[in-house]
Amino acid sequence: EADIYQTPRYLVIGTGKKITLECSQTMGHDKMYWYQQDPGMELHLIHYSYGVNSTEKGDLSSESTVSRIRTEHFPLTLESARPSHTSQYLCASSESNTGELFFGEGSRLTVL
Amino acid sequence: AQSVAQPEDQVNVAEGNPLTVKCTYSVSGNPYLFWYVQYPNRGLQFLLKYITGDNLVKGSYGFEAEFNKSQTSFHLKKPSALVSDSALYFCAVRDRDTGGFKTIFGAGTRLFVKA
Repeated sequence: EADIYQTPRYLVIGTGKKITLECSQTMGHDKMYWYQQDPGMELHLIHYSYGVNSTEKGDLSSESTVSRIRTEHFPLTLESARPSHTSQYLCASSESNTGELFFGEGSRLTVL
Repeated sequence: AQSVAQPEDQVNVAEGNPLTVKCTYSVSGNPYLFWYVQYPNRGLQFLLKYITGDNLVKGSYGFEAEFNKSQTSFHLKKPSALVSDSALYFCAVRDRDTGGFKTIFGAGTRLFVKA
């Protein structure tokens, strides 16, 4: 089992609310990633980090922001949620350039 | 730029029969290739990867995949399918030369194994 955790698993909120999706890993991996996935559909990379104080935007434009103050923690924040943000958000980490990704269970966000 | 194509949205196979899930890729440099599986309402689980060496790689749950550089393919195979193999399968690529640590995923192929 991979040691990467996401909370909350499910979240239903109203438009305009600020939300933070938490992601933590205990494997000491430098590389961490956020993917967005509509149910049963492809994954889109929205943010990644190569290490502490390093964050980059992915291939899919996203209004969310991320931070990487500690190696183990890579939270994603939406300042003002909208219905278009409804999706599943998957956090992942990897050890090296040849290493596979370890995924969390995902956070399914619904914005009403 | 990196890209991955999974030409089949869905693959149907009878239990006990061999299965193949197709994947082709495009990278500027040399690829690292991966297969992942996703069960409903779960994250993705790693199945196998090609980094270098033998073109035939073996992974979890009896799955294997063959790297074919000339055809830029990395098809997933299993000799005898199980009903429990029914899931969503993703092929992924990382460009070892120019892609940094970004992993790009295909659109996914849904596998149905009928008893």
